[in-house]
Amino acid sequence: QSVLTQPPSVSGAPGQRVSISCTGTSSNIGAGFDVQWYQKVQGAAPKLLIDESSNRPSGVPDRFSGSKSGSSATLAITGLRGEDEGDYYCQSFERGLNGFEVVFGGGTKVTVL
Amino acid sequence: QVQLQESGPRLVKPSGTLSLTCAVSGDSIRPFYWSWVRHPPGKGLEWIGYIYYKGNTNYNPSLKNRVTISVNTSTDQVSLTLTSVTPADTAVYYCTRGRGDPLDPWGQGTLVTVSS
Repeated sequence: QSVLTQPPSVSGAPGQRVSISCTGTSSNIGAGFDVQWYQKVQGAAPKLLIDESSNRPSGVPDRFSGSKSGSSATLAITGLRGEDEGDYYCQSFERGLNGFEVVFGGGTKVTVL
Repeated sequence: QVQLQESGPRLVKPSGTLSLTCAVSGDSIRPFYWSWVRHPPGKGLEWIGYIYYKGNTNYNPSLKNRVTISVNTSTDQVSLTLTSVTPADTAVYYCTRGRGDPLDPWGQGTLVTVSS
């Protein structure tokens, strides 16, 4: 049971737009913590796509965008391409006894039809 | 650019100790945080813990009694030790820079299997 809730899967045809939700609580995203998004392709290490909820690091295509509102965040992929297939994870924080604890969503599998 | 490479035994017996090392190259360990994350087969990513280059640590409460992360600033290495392992600890273990704000970059990961 992951702290952040993501849909298990989303799919879309090439060129379409898909979005992935990441729902938290007042203990994490709703507490004002930023959200990061990572792409995990089979056999490869996770890759940072979005940080600070909506910032796209250098080298990440502008087809990827992130937003946050209240206790939820969303990753949108426009102009879907076959190379976008993989698992996507959101990540945020919760305040723990010894500092900020990192929490992940359960992951969403993106399929390009 | 910075590169991370995990290494260590790929097979650990139940009740044994898992020990991994992350070699950092291309940049210094200072002044960063360094994290370990694992990916069990068929499951999602799980945060294990992080360490500041000065040695301050923070661990996942679910693993806190079994995990130790250390750093060697002389050799630019970060280490992970997990004791009393069970098959549930079988996973790909990743070393990554940062404490979640964000985690970037990541090592290639190493699969550790717990089995007799």
